[in-house]
Amino acid sequence: EVQLVESGGDLVKPGGSLRVSCAASGFTFSDAWMSWVRQAPGKGLEWVGRIKSKADIGTTDYAAPVKGRFSISRDDSKNTLYLQMNSLKSEDTAVYYCATLLGGPVHWGQGTLVTVSS
Amino acid sequence: DVQMTQSPSTLSASVGDRVTITCRASQSISTWLAWYQQKPGKAPKLLIYKASSLKSGVPSRFSGSGSGTEFTLTISSLQPDDFAIYYCQQYNSYLWTFGQGTKVEIK
Repeated sequence: EVQLVESGGDLVKPGGSLRVSCAASGFTFSDAWMSWVRQAPGKGLEWVGRIKSKADIGTTDYAAPVKGRFSISRDDSKNTLYLQMNSLKSEDTAVYYCATLLGGPVHWGQGTLVTVSS
Repeated sequence: DVQMTQSPSTLSASVGDRVTITCRASQSISTWLAWYQQKPGKAPKLLIYKASSLKSGVPSRFSGSGSGTEFTLTISSLQPDDFAIYYCQQYNSYLWTFGQGTKVEIK
């Protein structure tokens, strides 16, 4: 069974940094392209970014609002995906989900809450 | 970016009603479309993938159809557990985009 478990969400001050993680199991993590999606309180879903597999050179892409501030990385030896968030703003407050497309369906984790507030 | 336009934004219906939600893509996405149900405080729950494939364990009253730019989610007979927000998502391009959501509320 595919499982994605996010962790690391916290309360951070504006301008601060935070790294959240996603532990994966139930599939060959090293072959998977992994994404982050976020949802601000009371709002819709927003794609944050994606990292390809190392076989596909591990290329990353980001949504415009986070480009230059957020960085996605992976540790295939630990089956873990990371999202490093720098220069955080109040508008980055959201639940952050990791997700992956395996064949047809997209699999999601349960999310981790990041709150940016002074 | 592929824009996803979902309608209606809110839908008032009664238990037993047939309900249809529409999602339109700004360009062709073939059948790379998913439908989700979300309840307060919970992660989105996948209902339909590849436009019309029902995820295992999802009740058969949910169905999806469409291809290209026009897609629909149909609930054949609305049940009390179905009152929630529904989102469509395209994953044809690496930059996933989502509809703005449809809130299905009790009439």
